Amino acid sequence: EAGVAQSPRYKIIEKRQSVAFWCNPISGHATLYWYQQILGQGPKLLIQFQNNGVVDDSQLPKDRFSAERLKGVDSTLKIQPAKLEDSAVYLCASSLEFGQMNTEAFFGQGTRLTVV
Amino acid sequence: KQEVTQIPAALSVPEGENLVLNCSFTDSAIYNLQWFRQDPGKGLTSLLLIQSSQREQTSGRLNASLDKSSGRSTLYIAASQPGDSATYLCAVRGNYGQNFVFGPGTRLSVLP
Repeated sequence: EAGVAQSPRYKIIEKRQSVAFWCNPISGHATLYWYQQILGQGPKLLIQFQNNGVVDDSQLPKDRFSAERLKGVDSTLKIQPAKLEDSAVYLCASSLEFGQMNTEAFFGQGTRLTVV
Repeated sequence: KQEVTQIPAALSVPEGENLVLNCSFTDSAIYNLQWFRQDPGKGLTSLLLIQSSQREQTSGRLNASLDKSSGRSTLYIAASQPGDSATYLCAVRGNYGQNFVFGPGTRLSVLP
């Protein structure tokens, strides 16, 4: 079974530029998450999708971050314009729909973003 | 709001020792708890998932326990090996479809 795929693995941009990350979840997983992990900290949720719909985006800085999940499968996360403090690893995860017995979360390798 | 803490923040042990990592959470209304391993520069690898109705789960040399009423989980690693060196993260999920809330992690070093 293929895991969660993310691209790119690394990205270096200048502040005020824009960047986009892509995620392909495990087939059949209805729930998709984007997390931000700053060095030395645990991951923090940015946005959670259930199929096409947003379940939780309360911690997403909506003035600069946006995310979409097309047809309930792939997802993209965009930052525009980027700030120095956005330097972090962006992790995508997926799980079966909440309410099912096993909602174990599976994570991708992440995208390491450096804003200079 | 759920808050998750992990103690210790870092741990260094000689090879072969048994060790315990601790995870505490403030809201006991959880759906499940998951332990992850993270190697430097890598994503998270799932180790064990404990449903709220379970007391423990085992996989190989790993054993995770859950005490919901006291808001605690422990990850026990038996006969540690240098390959176990990594950061270990616990994450809890609430009862209403909420996302996983993570602790800050414990950085483990197992010395040969």
